[in-house]
Amino acid sequence: QQPVQSPQAVILREGEDAVINCSSSKALYSVHWYRQKHGEAPVFLMILLKGGEQKGHEKISASFNEKKQQSSLYLTASQLSYSGTYFCGTEWANYGGSQGNLIFGKGTKLSVKP
Amino acid sequence: NAGVTQTPKFQVLKTGQSMTLQCAQDMNHEYMSWYRQDPGMGLRLIHYSVGAGITDQGEVPNGYNVSRSTTEDFPLRLLSAAPSQTSVYFCASSYSRFGRSNSPLHFGNGTRLTVT
Repeated sequence: QQPVQSPQAVILREGEDAVINCSSSKALYSVHWYRQKHGEAPVFLMILLKGGEQKGHEKISASFNEKKQQSSLYLTASQLSYSGTYFCGTEWANYGGSQGNLIFGKGTKLSVKP
Repeated sequence: NAGVTQTPKFQVLKTGQSMTLQCAQDMNHEYMSWYRQDPGMGLRLIHYSVGAGITDQGEVPNGYNVSRSTTEDFPLRLLSAAPSQTSVYFCASSYSRFGRSNSPLHFGNGTRLTVT
């Protein structure tokens, strides 16, 4: 089952903040976030592991709540270069370990305007 | 390093034709996978491999075959193309065969396939 991402799309002005959510119906081992620009391949942003840690990548950070099987991506002081489609990829937990594959959500299209 | 290389970049097929999408990586990654991307559907896993000689099905395997005879190559075969297989196909590789928790996916640039 694909994780559910919300919102489906968001439009920001430069400097504004955004939050993208990813929710799974299955127990998770890890969550990945990727960004894809139009006509290009997805590019890795970060991995969140079990334990509720929060990670950061410049002004982009994320959190992972394993009890709720949810992850959120936070984009602060957005820049034009942040435009693209953001995908969460979920790695399911399996008998204490990992099922091994990434199942992706449908994506959130982020547009940053000047 | 070239990373993950996919060929061709574009392909048009007629219904019923067969073809092979090529994928090669030069990073000595054990895990390789194929995804298809359709508008509004995200990336869906077709097949994956955790090493040479080992393949398994993903979310949407019907109509596709794979094999992994070497660590480097992971071709995807369409046996009898159908219009529903019109999509962008991405090959992705990852270092670890045991999971993705410390092993992100590296994507190729994609193959845009149209079946008429």
